[in-house]
Amino acid sequence: TQLLEQSPQFLSIQEGENLTVYCNSSSVFSSLQWYRQEPGEGPVLLVTVVTGGEVKKLKRLTFQFGDARKDSSLHITAAQPGDTGLYLCAGESMDSNYQLIWGAGTKLIIKP
Amino acid sequence: DTAVSQTPKYLVTQMGNDKSIKCEQNLGHDTMYWYKQDSKKFLKIMFSYNNKELIINETVPNRFSPKSPDKAHLNLHINSLELGDSAVYFCASSRLNSPLHFGNGTRLTVT
Repeated sequence: TQLLEQSPQFLSIQEGENLTVYCNSSSVFSSLQWYRQEPGEGPVLLVTVVTGGEVKKLKRLTFQFGDARKDSSLHITAAQPGDTGLYLCAGESMDSNYQLIWGAGTKLIIKP
Repeated sequence: DTAVSQTPKYLVTQMGNDKSIKCEQNLGHDTMYWYKQDSKKFLKIMFSYNNKELIINETVPNRFSPKSPDKAHLNLHINSLELGDSAVYFCASSRLNSPLHFGNGTRLTVT
């Protein structure tokens, strides 16, 4: 069974601080997607990383895919209250039948 | 303008009842999904349909039955509701092997 371990599960920090969220697995993924979910809404895609070692930036958010395509990280610089939400990673399985393996999520609270 | 819309937003019902949740997408996607998000926010795939054909059917009670009348719709019917069915149910759609577009969820409360 493929697993994607996401950490930390919960993070509460002050505005202006930096943070990193991790997703780790022993399995190789075709790609890895990061979503953000706000209360009362569905997850919304932030980015997809495909190539081992790939780094993508979305304003203050930096996403990295591990060289072996087994892990990924999300780094937020100078966090803002608007970054508050549930961050989810999802790995695309290399098995047949397009299947996403989901992390358990990181609940992030940025205090003003 | 809504890309993936599901109704109702909230559903409160008693144990033993039968209920349906509807989902429609106007993105032209060929694949649709139902996910269950529990109280710990874990997202679990339930079903996936591609061009109206079932392609993913995870281990869910057979009280849950998806129905896809066409590519733009995937409804979820639940028979004999139980307390443990309380959760938020998300519909999503995508092109095959592409990221998902989610609806805003249906919060089901079984009393």
